[in-house]
Formats: sequence, structure tokens, C-alpha cells
Amino acid sequence: DVKVTQSSRYLVKRTGEKVFLECVQDMDHENMFWYRQDPGLGLRLIYFSYDVKMKEKGDIPEGYSVSREKKERFSLILESASTNQTSMYLCASRQRDRGRTYNEQFFGPGTRLTVL
Amino acid sequence: KQEVTQIPAALSVPEGENLVLNCSFTDSAIYNLQWFRQDPGKGLTSLLLIQSSQREQTSGRLNASLDKSSGRSTLYIAASQPGDSATYLCAGRNTGGFKTIFGAGTRLFVKA
Repeated sequence: DVKVTQSSRYLVKRTGEKVFLECVQDMDHENMFWYRQDPGLGLRLIYFSYDVKMKEKGDIPEGYSVSREKKERFSLILESASTNQTSMYLCASRQRDRGRTYNEQFFGPGTRLTVL
Repeated sequence: KQEVTQIPAALSVPEGENLVLNCSFTDSAIYNLQWFRQDPGKGLTSLLLIQSSQREQTSGRLNASLDKSSGRSTLYIAASQPGDSATYLCAGRNTGGFKTIFGAGTRLFVKA
């Protein structure tokens, strides 16, 4: 079974703090994703990494950066946390597409971040 | 631009009922469609994945179908149980795209 783990289930930070959210997957997947989920807005893609050191901006990258130094680990960084970044953050991974097979996405348990 | 819609937003059924959850998408270039379950405060659990070359997939009491021509996918749950209570999301990928487009979900409540 694919396992995607996230470093914290709950996190409380202060405005202006630098915040690191870590995600690790154990199935050698090339693709990794960070989403945030808010009531009424659904899941929104923040960043996508298609391989080590590779990244693409998603729909809402402002205020966030990412790091992918190892294949199994994808970090989301909030350089200076703000109250509007209070949200549920979900990490996901997926094996890269091969030919005409598009693979399924697997999610971690989520990190509920509160910025005070 | 692909849009994925799930109606109704919420559904309440008595235990034992067979039910269908609906998912509509606007662009027939959809290449696969995935159904997820999400319990409150938790991550998403993958239930079924249907490639565009397939019409349906089954796992236990769950059956998902995909009809590209009509822009619809359905998730059929047989003999519903209280443990099935959760939010169900569908999500699609277009041909050549890396993004997955998610619906807002249907919140299901199965009454004992």
C-alpha cells in the first residue's frame, strides 16, 4: 500500500513565522503535490513537483515556496505566515504517467494549520 | 477549462439503501476520473480510478462508471452502511495535463 505521511496533524503558528510542512511518500513516486482545502473553495493546488528539484506553480502559489531535494520528500514553506494561510494542507503523490496510463493520486492525512 | 460538479452537495439515506452519487465534467478531453472518500478532518482516500478507455470499475460494494460522451461519472454504493458516511469527491485529469480538477464533493450521511 502507498503511504504518504505528513509531519504534523495540527500546527499553530504566529503571524510572520516561517513554517515548514513536510511530506514523505514511500512508493518511489515521481510526482508530488501540495494542496490546501478550505470550506466552500474545495481543493486548490499550490505547487506540483514532477521530479527531484523540479517544481511547477499551481493555482495559488503566492506566499508559498517548495523544496524537493530527495525523491521521497516534498516540503511546503510559508516564508512569513499570515492569518489567511490558516487552512488544511494536503500532500499527495502519484507515479509519473507512462504512455496512455494516467496513474491515481494518493493523499496524506493532512495538516491543520492555524496562524494566529 | 475543465470544471467538475457534484450534485447534490449533501445526501441522507437510511441504512441498507443502494445509492448513486453523481459527478459531471464539462470537457470531454478528460483522460481519467478518480473517486475519493474524505472523513471529517482527514485526508482523501482513493476509492476507484477509471481510465478513459474503461467504462467502469468495481471494488467491493462500490462501482464507478464513466461516460465521456455525456460528461458524467457515477459512484454506486450498494447496501449502504453508517460507516459509509463521509464526503465523496470526484476528480478528473485532462489529456496531457498534470493537474487534477476536483469537484466540491457530496456529503453522505447513512442513518442507522
